[in-house]
Amino acid sequence: SAVISQKPSRDICQRGTSLTIQCQVDSQVTMMFWYRQQPGQSLTLIATANQGSEATYESGFVIDKFPISRPNLTFSTLTVSNMSPEDSSIYLCSVEAGSSYNEQFFGPGTRLTVL
Amino acid sequence: AQKITQTQPGMFVQEKEAVTLDCTYDTSDPSYGLFWYKQPSSGEMIFLIYQGSYDQQNATEGRYSLNFQKARKSANLVISASQLGDSAMYFCAMSGMDSSYKLIFGSGTRLLVRP
Repeated sequence: SAVISQKPSRDICQRGTSLTIQCQVDSQVTMMFWYRQQPGQSLTLIATANQGSEATYESGFVIDKFPISRPNLTFSTLTVSNMSPEDSSIYLCSVEAGSSYNEQFFGPGTRLTVL
Repeated sequence: AQKITQTQPGMFVQEKEAVTLDCTYDTSDPSYGLFWYKQPSSGEMIFLIYQGSYDQQNATEGRYSLNFQKARKSANLVISASQLGDSAMYFCAMSGMDSSYKLIFGSGTRLLVRP
């Protein structure tokens, strides 16, 4: 299984500012994913990030608000831009396991609070 | 469109007893995968078990088993011999067997194990 780390683990930010979340994997993976989990809610996929190409965003999420970088096969960043209190969530990155059944491994998450 | 439904927002179980967490799904894809993840209060997502739509036998992983009833479109998680450490949120998820690897999550069930 892949070992995934995220930075920061948590942060408290002021509205109108931006935060960049880093996701590091201990092995090379083709696909990385970013999810949002709003308080008391389930996980919702924000986008899929493949190395060397633009991220693919899900309905309701746009690049201007959540720009993503994927510079290599072990690293990705998600930026939450122009934050509002509604952006307070846990943000999780995940990677496909490379097995035959699309299993994903998740990072520990970043708890974001926007004041 | 794919959909996952978890109808039990919360469950209680006595320590050492078995508990079943319900999950129903809807998809028009003939090939799909079903997953269960555990989310402790720390926020990380822990993969528990997987069932493929073409698997003939129910999946088992230690104390976890998946009661897969394809005709009824249900994929219930059974936890045997509950432990205090099993107290957490449990999410059922589904992915299609295409190349997107997208996971769609249910709303989750909070399990509390009583001593």
